[in-house]
Amino acid sequence: QKEVEQNSGPLSVPEGAIASLNCTYSDRGSQSFFWYRQYSGKSPELIMSIYSNGDKEDGRFTAQLNKASQYVSLLIRDSQPSDSATYLCAVIIGGADGLTFGKGTHLIIQP
Amino acid sequence: GAVVSQHPSRVICKSGTSVKIECRSLDFQATTMFWYRQFPKQSLMLMATSNEGSKATYEQGVEKDKFLINHASLTLSTLTVTSAHPEDSSFYICSASTGGTDTQYFGPGTRLTVL
Repeated sequence: QKEVEQNSGPLSVPEGAIASLNCTYSDRGSQSFFWYRQYSGKSPELIMSIYSNGDKEDGRFTAQLNKASQYVSLLIRDSQPSDSATYLCAVIIGGADGLTFGKGTHLIIQP
Repeated sequence: GAVVSQHPSRVICKSGTSVKIECRSLDFQATTMFWYRQFPKQSLMLMATSNEGSKATYEQGVEKDKFLINHASLTLSTLTVTSAHPEDSSFYICSASTGGTDTQYFGPGTRLTVL
């Protein structure tokens, strides 16, 4: 079964620290990977996409992809209380168009 | 850029009635639009994919006769929930992508409550 797995949390991180979020996927044919942030009652907003092995940085966010190990991660540096949300890992499974989402990790940044 | 709107944001209807939800890409042409559903405390599940001018492709387990999707233009897709029942109560979210990229931008969602 083609799945995207995330630890549901909650993951509690002190303000100013680095938050590390992880995601694994089962389909080796997957080529496109995304991290979305979703606040309670709202729709997901795109944080970043990653397609190649390695790191991709955008401001305080760094996405890491390792296709051999089939995992993708998101690091949030200098965590702020406003970063408290559910972070969704999404993958385009090989041959599909739509996104397959993980269940999300609930992140809490403690002031 | 890449703004997607949805209307209405919230709708309450009686069981057995039909509800139409609109999804618009405001500042780009969306070659493909997607419809997702999210039940409380669960993640988003893809319902269907639609390309402008073509019939929608539905995911396994989604009834095409119950969830009617129309994608008549490059900026508008509609989802009609026909003969809605309480179990159809959910958060319906559309997304859109432009040609040449698979990044999806989400609308704000429509919360449907069927009494």
